[in-house]
Amino acid sequence: AQSVTQLGSHVSVSEGALVLLRCNYSSSVPPYLFWYVQYPNQGLQLLLKYTSAATLVKGINGFEAEFKKSETSFHLTKPSAHMSDAAEYFCVVSDISAGYSTLTFGKGTMLLVSP
Amino acid sequence: GAGVSQSPSNKVTEKGKDVELRCDPISGHTALYWYRQSLGQGLEFLIYFQGNSAPDKSGLPSDRFSAERTGGSVSTLTIQRTQQEDSAVYLCASSLRGGQRETQYFGPGTRLLVL
Repeated sequence: AQSVTQLGSHVSVSEGALVLLRCNYSSSVPPYLFWYVQYPNQGLQLLLKYTSAATLVKGINGFEAEFKKSETSFHLTKPSAHMSDAAEYFCVVSDISAGYSTLTFGKGTMLLVSP
Repeated sequence: GAGVSQSPSNKVTEKGKDVELRCDPISGHTALYWYRQSLGQGLEFLIYFQGNSAPDKSGLPSDRFSAERTGGSVSTLTIQRTQQEDSAVYLCASSLRGGQRETQYFGPGTRLLVL
């Protein structure tokens, strides 16, 4: 089965600082990877996804992630944090080991942005 | 077009009662998923429907849980004889055909509290 590991349950940054949320995956086959964001009391929203095309993937709200096979990583970055970025971020892998596609979620990283 | 909708948004029930949670997927999406988000377990997959069929029900936590989908559209997740450990946010998602690369679109969730 495929899995993802997110390093750090909480990450704190100042407004305007670089955001870096770490994710490593475990997969015996080329993975399809996603980052989802969950704002307080809201549902999950797709930020971006990697589906084996370009290794650098750009998403909404200025976020991007780079797929690095050699490091089995898919870290999420944003050059300059905004207060509105405060939310929980989930690294997700699309797992087909059951014979159909389901999403396996990391534990999540809460991003805190201070003024 | 409309996104995934779920009802009720909040449900408070007494231990031992039955509850029904409803999901209305995006029109035209054949794949429908139920997930559960709880403090201790994070986000976990429950069940997948392709059309009206669920090929695998092993993700359901216990035999008190059941789900159905009718007309290839609306799905109902039923929990019988609710227990306090069933308290969680139940999320529904849909995708066009259930492919591994496809985005799953999530509803806002039903927050269930069992007293």
